[in-house]
Amino acid sequence: QKEVEQDPGPLSVPEGAIVSLNCTYSNSAFQYFMWYRQYSRKGPELLMYTYSSGNKEDGRFTAQVDKSSKYISLFIRDSQPSDSATYLCAMSAAGANSKLTFGKGITLSVRP
Amino acid sequence: DAGVTQSPTHLIKTRGQQVTLRCSPKSGHDTVSWYQQALGQGPQFIFQYYEEEERQRGNFPDRFSGHQFPNYSSELNVNALLLGDSALYLCASLFMRGAANTHTQYFGPGTRLTVL
Repeated sequence: QKEVEQDPGPLSVPEGAIVSLNCTYSNSAFQYFMWYRQYSRKGPELLMYTYSSGNKEDGRFTAQVDKSSKYISLFIRDSQPSDSATYLCAMSAAGANSKLTFGKGITLSVRP
Repeated sequence: DAGVTQSPTHLIKTRGQQVTLRCSPKSGHDTVSWYQQALGQGPQFIFQYYEEEERQRGNFPDRFSGHQFPNYSSELNVNALLLGDSALYLCASLFMRGAANTHTQYFGPGTRLTVL
């Protein structure tokens, strides 16, 4: 079993839809949770960073962490074609400055 | 302000050869991490360098080695290349001595390595 499992894709939604992306993990030591976005032929860029359990909102993006269920989610409201990319969840036990363990990634396509 | 830069962009090697990839961190950053991203997979942590020393290492064989220079730039070396080493190699930098809430890892565009 992989330490981090991410919902398989790809995912295609119409513009304006609410998108839900999810990851589960098995390592209870993970305390730092991140979502990265990766456009084609680019490196990942950080979207959201959450420490421990709870919700965090930033514009159209909301990250949720449920440590009791070992489950994290990223919600995208009013999705735009420019949101089309691969989304990767990442986790760390020792801090955002340490080894990150990534999910496989899910490719999202937002249709105009 | 230049972000993380990596060179070369693409590289083709044959099995058994050796390769060196280079990374210049974002201005003001002092720490470099290397990741391997196989096609259709998430990045896997190789190692991290801080103060010119290997601070952490992932589950990669000794064929993978690195170095950090006094100007914080870094090299990743891979010996005795295997077909399975074909991947996108990503470098990420951060400022370790900053406050914890500034520990964002910024990724470069990667080097695409193809082993034939």
